[in-house]
Amino acid sequence: AQSVTQPDIHITVSEGASLELRCNYSYGATPYLFWYVQSPGQGLQLLLKYFSGDTLVQGIKGFEAEFKRSQSSFNLRKPSVHWSDAAEYFCAVAGSGNTGKLIFGQGTTLQVKP
Amino acid sequence: DAGVTQSPTHLIKTRGQQVTLRCSPKSGHDTVSWYQQALGQGPQFIFQYYEEEERQRGNFPDRFSGHQFPNYSSELNVNALLLGDSALYLCASSFWGTAQETQYFGPGTRLLVL
Repeated sequence: AQSVTQPDIHITVSEGASLELRCNYSYGATPYLFWYVQSPGQGLQLLLKYFSGDTLVQGIKGFEAEFKRSQSSFNLRKPSVHWSDAAEYFCAVAGSGNTGKLIFGQGTTLQVKP
Repeated sequence: DAGVTQSPTHLIKTRGQQVTLRCSPKSGHDTVSWYQQALGQGPQFIFQYYEEEERQRGNFPDRFSGHQFPNYSSELNVNALLLGDSALYLCASSFWGTAQETQYFGPGTRLLVL
C-alpha cells in the first residue's frame, strides 16, 4: 500500500538558517511526489512536484526538493529560512494510475525563531 | 481568476445530524476531490468527482456521499454525524487527466460535531 512518512513532527530553526524536512514514501512503481504548505486557517498550497527527469526540483518561495529513489525519499530544503515560512508542511504521493488521489504524510510543523 | 472556493467556512452540528458542504472549482477545472483533515493529521482522500460521477473513493463509510453539478461545482454530504467527523474538509480541483495534474486546494470548511 502507498504511504508517506514524515519523521519529524515539529522542527524549530532560526531565521536565516538552512532547513531540511524529511519525507519517505512507500510505493511500488514510480511515484509522483508533492510538497504542500499550509498556513494556519488556510488551505494547502503547492510548493513543488516531481514526476520524472531531473531529481532536483525547484519550487516556489525558494524551496527545492531532491528525489532519491534508492532511499525512497523526497526531502524538502531551503538554504535560508524566513519568519514567514513558519507553517505546516505536507509531503504527498500519487500513483501514476490515479488521477487525483493524494496520499499525505502526517505533516511537519515548522517554527522559526527570530 | 478565482481559485477554489468553499462554503461555509465554519459549521457546528450535533451528533446524528446531516451536513452539506459546497465547493466551486478553480476556473477551467472539471474535477473535484474531497479530503478530510483531522486535527494534527494530514488530509485523507474521501472521493473524487468527474463528469458528475464518483471516480475514486477512499476508505470512508457510505455516510459520506457527494455530488457534482454540470457547472463542475460539488457537494459533500455527511449523514448521521459522529463526533469523529469533526475535521477540516478540503476541496481540491484539477483538470482531468493523469496524476501529473496539480490539485489546487480551497481554504476548507471546519466542521465541529458536538
